[in-house]
Amino acid sequence: EVQLVESGGGLVQPGGSLRLSCAASGFTFSSYWMSWVRQAPGKGLEWVANIKVDGSEKNYVDSVKGRFTISRDNAKNSLYLQMNSLRAEDTAVYYCAAGLGATGTYWGQGTLVTVSS
Amino acid sequence: DIQMTQSPSSLSASVGDRVTITCRASQGIRNDLGWYQQKPGKAPKRLIYAASSLQSGVPSRFSGSGSETEFTLTISSLQPEDFATYYCLQHNSYPLTFGGGTKVEIK
Repeated sequence: EVQLVESGGGLVQPGGSLRLSCAASGFTFSSYWMSWVRQAPGKGLEWVANIKVDGSEKNYVDSVKGRFTISRDNAKNSLYLQMNSLRAEDTAVYYCAAGLGATGTYWGQGTLVTVSS
Repeated sequence: DIQMTQSPSSLSASVGDRVTITCRASQGIRNDLGWYQQKPGKAPKRLIYAASSLQSGVPSRFSGSGSETEFTLTISSLQPEDFATYYCLQHNSYPLTFGGGTKVEIK
């Protein structure tokens, strides 16, 4: 059974940091581009970042460039998102997703990040 | 950035109705588009990939068409479990961009 399980969300103050993790199982993690997608409360979906199968290429939406870093550890079947200098507008459910542009795609259930004082 | 304009933003329909949702891209994206269904509190689920290919396990009442700048998701006969929000996603160029969503509600 394919599983993507996000963790690391929570309440953080503006300007703070948080590291999200996504543990993958049931598919060949090292063969998939991986992405983070977020959804602010009551809003639509927003792609945040992705990373190539071997970690050699990373792409970000402009609003997080210089603040967020995506990474992966294929030996641990894990995806990460380091989030620094967090803002209120970063408040969202963060999903990890595999293969957005591929024939097969998998999504986690999401982890909530709340940025508030 | 490629803008994905999705319409309508919401619609009311009855069980058995034929429903059509459109996404327009601000520039040509070949067929690099997927359609997703999302129910409240749940992760999105992809229905269609490559604009017109049905994802494995998805009912055949869902279909997609289009290329370059104009895309359509059609539900041929709306079922009770289809009431949800639908999104398109282009993966032709960065940043990847979603349409604004279409909420399908019960009439």
